[in-house]
Amino acid sequence: GESVGLHLPTLSVQEGDNSIINCAYSNSASDYFIWYKQESGKGPQFIIDIRSNMDKRQGQRVTVLLNKTVKHLSLQIAATQPGDSAVYFCAENLTRRGKLQFGAGTQVVVTP
Amino acid sequence: NAGVTQTPKFQVLKTGQSMTLQCAQDMNHEYMSWYRQDPGMGLRLIHYSVGAGITDQGEVPNGYNVSRSTTEDFPLRLLSAAPSQTSVYFCASSPRRLATGTHEMNTEAFFGQGTRLTVV
Repeated sequence: GESVGLHLPTLSVQEGDNSIINCAYSNSASDYFIWYKQESGKGPQFIIDIRSNMDKRQGQRVTVLLNKTVKHLSLQIAATQPGDSAVYFCAENLTRRGKLQFGAGTQVVVTP
Repeated sequence: NAGVTQTPKFQVLKTGQSMTLQCAQDMNHEYMSWYRQDPGMGLRLIHYSVGAGITDQGEVPNGYNVSRSTTEDFPLRLLSAAPSQTSVYFCASSPRRLATGTHEMNTEAFFGQGTRLTVV
């Protein structure tokens, strides 16, 4: 998993398995969280978001879980595919108006 | 729909040179931001703007200036480049959305493809 501001961990996943990427956030007042995917040489791409009045949100093959009690966020990717190989960042919105604080990221490597 | 467009994609500067990184968005977003990304680290906020004519500092503003004369454009200026400014720079924009009444909602940011800057 990752924590805001620390080193970049790597998650190696076999194709077809489920991936779980973890993130610990720092500010208990944050009320909006986003997961981004960044492929090599590209900008971050929005995956899914969740507001603090929810504890789970599902998208296409992705699920985000939010545990406010322990300030923990996770991204689950179902049936991981080679195209899922990328760095995944969680971000928290501290004060609205587009200002985001990012975690250091997790490198996901999908193996055949 | 182009989204967020950054130019140039690559740039090499000598220490002390100045340059402007361009950012334009065609989504009519009120909020725009500049981030830098260094190896093994997440993105760090440099400057941001909540609308034309309004800018403010982020986490790492030193050595950078910004202006926002139009909704579409948010250039980032390096007045005297230093090797410590070698990084990948991302511009982002976000829409302003209101929930019921006037309560402002948080919204996601849309990113450009980045400018890779090397200062030698």
